Amino acid sequence: DTEVTQTPKHLVMGMTNKKSLKCEQHMGHRAMYWYKQKAKKPPELMFVYSYEKLSINESVPSRFSPECPNSSLLNLHLHALQPEDSALYLCASSQTTSGDSYEQYFGPGTRLTVT
Amino acid sequence: LAKTTQPISMDSYEGQEVNITCSHNNIATNDYITWYQQFPSQGPRFIIQGYKTKVTNEVASLFIPADRKSSTLSLPRVSLSDTAVYYCLVGAWNQGGKLIFGQGTELSVKP
Repeated sequence: DTEVTQTPKHLVMGMTNKKSLKCEQHMGHRAMYWYKQKAKKPPELMFVYSYEKLSINESVPSRFSPECPNSSLLNLHLHALQPEDSALYLCASSQTTSGDSYEQYFGPGTRLTVT
Repeated sequence: LAKTTQPISMDSYEGQEVNITCSHNNIATNDYITWYQQFPSQGPRFIIQGYKTKVTNEVASLFIPADRKSSTLSLPRVSLSDTAVYYCLVGAWNQGGKLIFGQGTELSVKP
């Protein structure tokens, strides 16, 4: 199984709401990632988890809060978002964050709209 | 992390070979070159990775000259389903798994 799953597929939320994005992989990967992608732009790295510990935070605003409950799951908790946070949120995983391969497996993404 | 420069868009026809060149003048000694493909409303998909000379897999070939300041992704006999954005990335694993995507090349394959 080389699949990364993400739920929900679409999410519409108001600026005062709290919601969570979920990501799951069963490939035994020990590194997981969150990316944000705006329309017609490349994906931008937000967070990296390595062995369930946060290893990279790309200066993401605190209204985005990542969580890695175990090696298969990655959550992104959202609170008090702004309309400009509307984007496709992509989750990815890889065997580790070191080695000689840059192969990351991406999920299909969650399309988030903030109203 | 080395900056990459690619053409913004390219057009091709079914059955043709497509070559997308990426420039990375500041590539470091321990950097690898990696290419990803992304279809609309999907996550990127790893295509190929190389360090020097030529790498080939079932999907594409990657040509890297000796100075490594550029690389060329070659897609043989493209079909309509190869219409996608292709990203060239350069980096090393001592950067903690950090992938920095460039602007990408939007390839349009016409019948």
